[in-house]
Amino acid sequence: TQLLEQSPQFLSIQEGENLTVYCNSSSVFSSLQWYRQEPGEGPVLLVTVVTGGEVKKLKRLTFQFGDARKDSSLHITAAQPGDTGLYLCAGANAGGTSYGKLTFGQGTILTVHP
Amino acid sequence: EAQVTQNPRYLITVTGKKLTVTCSQNMNHEYMSWYRQDPGLGLRQIYYSMNVEVTDKGDVPEGYKVSRKEKRNFPLILESPSPNQTSLYFCASSFMVRQPQHFGDGTRLSIL
Repeated sequence: TQLLEQSPQFLSIQEGENLTVYCNSSSVFSSLQWYRQEPGEGPVLLVTVVTGGEVKKLKRLTFQFGDARKDSSLHITAAQPGDTGLYLCAGANAGGTSYGKLTFGQGTILTVHP
Repeated sequence: EAQVTQNPRYLITVTGKKLTVTCSQNMNHEYMSWYRQDPGLGLRQIYYSMNVEVTDKGDVPEGYKVSRKEKRNFPLILESPSPNQTSLYFCASSFMVRQPQHFGDGTRLSIL
């Protein structure tokens, strides 16, 4: 079973601060997706990274895929209360008998205080 | 509107009483999957289906069954539910596993 270790599990910060969430694994993934989930709703995709070393930006959010495609990070600059939510990373298996599996990290609950 | 529809949204039932949670998507997606979400554990994949008539186990398949007889539907069946299956369940679909997953709004199951 492939594992994605996501950290930190909880993050409580003030508006305007920067933060980074990490997803780490010993396994290689063909792609890494980041989702955000609001209470009472299903996760919604933020970004997909596919190539090792890839960096994608979405306004104040920066996503990076590790060179070896085993880890990823999400960096938020100048966090705002509207960023509050549960952030999830998900890795798609690189191949083999578990090709269709999608493995999620445990999630990071982010709270941004005004 | 493109969507994944799960039913029911909420269900309280008793141990051993068979139940089915339906999932339907209208995006012509090949890939569908079921997850359970528990505090501190994130989303764990129960079963997935690469396409019609092809299903495979995820990380936590014990106690669950699925079927994929047509592209749009992927029901989750609990033949003999037990209290440890109390959880929030999500169905998702996409064109393929590496493509963005579209999630339903979730089904909260309580098994007493």
